[in-house]
Amino acid sequence: QVQLQESGPGLVKPSGTLSLTCAVSGGSIVSSIWLGWVRQPPGKGLEWIGEIFHSGSTNYSPSLKSRVTMSVDKSKNQVSLNLTSVTAADTAVYYCATVRIAAGGVRWIDPWGHGTLVTVSS
Amino acid sequence: EIVLTQSPGTLSLSPGEGATLSCRASQSVSSSYLAWYQQKPGQAPRLLIYGASSRATGIPDRFSGSGSGTDFTLTISRVEPEDFAVYYCQHYGRTFGQGTKVEIK
Repeated sequence: QVQLQESGPGLVKPSGTLSLTCAVSGGSIVSSIWLGWVRQPPGKGLEWIGEIFHSGSTNYSPSLKSRVTMSVDKSKNQVSLNLTSVTAADTAVYYCATVRIAAGGVRWIDPWGHGTLVTVSS
Repeated sequence: EIVLTQSPGTLSLSPGEGATLSCRASQSVSSSYLAWYQQKPGQAPRLLIYGASSRATGIPDRFSGSGSGTDFTLTISRVEPEDFAVYYCQHYGRTFGQGTKVEIK
C-alpha cells in the first residue's frame, strides 16, 4: 500500500515561495499514476492545486497556474510543489495524494497523505 | 470549468436516520469521474465512492452513490455515530464541491 508523507516549512513569509515535498513509500513513483496536491484553508473546503506524472507531465488549477510548479525526483521517489508570491490566502493544510485512473477513465484520489499546515505570515 | 454545488450545506440528523446528500454539476459529466469523500476534523479526506456508485475498499454498505448527468447523490442508509463528518464530491479527480456537513441533531 502506497503511503505519502508531506514535508516542508510550516511558516512562509508573504511574497515568498512555499516549497513542499511529498515522499512516496510502499511503491515506486515510476510504476504509479499521477500524484496530486490539494489544499484546505483553515475551516474551509478542499481545493485542487494540480497533479504530476512520473514523466514530468503536469496539470495545474487554472486559478493557481501562474504561481505553481510541480516536479518529480525519481531517484528519491518524491514529488515537489512550489507556490510563488504567497499571501495569507495561501495559508492552508497541503495534502499530497495519489490519483487513481481505472479502465474507462474512472478517476479518484486515494490514498492521501496526512497533510501539512503552511502558514503565510511575517 | 465544471462547478460542483453540494446541498444542503448542513444536515442535522439523529443516529439511525437516513441521509441524502446532493451534488449538482454545472454541466453534464461522466459518472466515471464522480467521487465522494468523507473528512473528519483533523484528518485527511477518505475515499468513499468512485465512478459515482462504486464503494471503495472497506467502506460499509450503508454508503451508496448514484446519479448521472448533472445530478449525483450520496446516501447513508442509517447514520452511525462515526458518520458525522463533512462530505465532498469531486469531478475528474480535480474539482471539489464545497462540502456538506452531517452533524448530530
